[in-house]
Amino acid sequence: EAGVVQSPRYKIIEKKQPVAFWCNPISGHNTLYWYRQNLGQGPELLIRYENEEAVDDSQLPKDRFSAERLKGVDSTLKIQPAELGDSAVYLCASSLDGRPGSGYTFGSGTRLTVV
Amino acid sequence: RKEVEQDPGPFNVPEGATVAFNCTYSNSASQSFFWYRQDCRKEPKLLMSVYSSGNEDGRFTAQLNRASQYISLLIRDSKLSDSATYLCAVNPEGGSTLGRLYFGRGTQLTVWP
Repeated sequence: EAGVVQSPRYKIIEKKQPVAFWCNPISGHNTLYWYRQNLGQGPELLIRYENEEAVDDSQLPKDRFSAERLKGVDSTLKIQPAELGDSAVYLCASSLDGRPGSGYTFGSGTRLTVV
Repeated sequence: RKEVEQDPGPFNVPEGATVAFNCTYSNSASQSFFWYRQDCRKEPKLLMSVYSSGNEDGRFTAQLNRASQYISLLIRDSKLSDSATYLCAVNPEGGSTLGRLYFGRGTQLTVWP
């Protein structure tokens, strides 16, 4: 079974530029999450999708961040414009609904550096 | 107050040692608890879920103490390959859908020969 696939692995951009990250969850996983992990910290949720619907985006900085999950499969997270403080690892995860206690499967993440 | 608090360490132990990590959570209604392992510059990977009755997987034992609101991870007979950062995670929501997880900042473990 293929895992959660993310791209790109690394991205370096100048501040004020836009950037986008892509995620393909595990087949059949209806729930998709975007997390951000700052250096030395644990991951923090940005947005959670149930199929196409964003059911928890309370921590998403909506002035510059946007996300979409068309057709309830792949998802894209965008930042425009990027700021220096956005440098972090952006992790996508998926889980199978109705299976409490199964935990998440994370993708390998996108390491963003804003200069 | 943070949802999940975890001692960042680092813990430096010799091979064969027993080491334990604790993690406290603030929401008494929390339902699901997990330990993740994260290697340097890699993604977190689920190590084990934590059940009310406690659970064991080889050299790893996880415990939940609801009264004091903490979970623990015990590693026996440490191996060099156990060197990593261990993250605890808590789902404060109940029900059948696994929602948001709150992660601790991780505890760094180094096992030396």
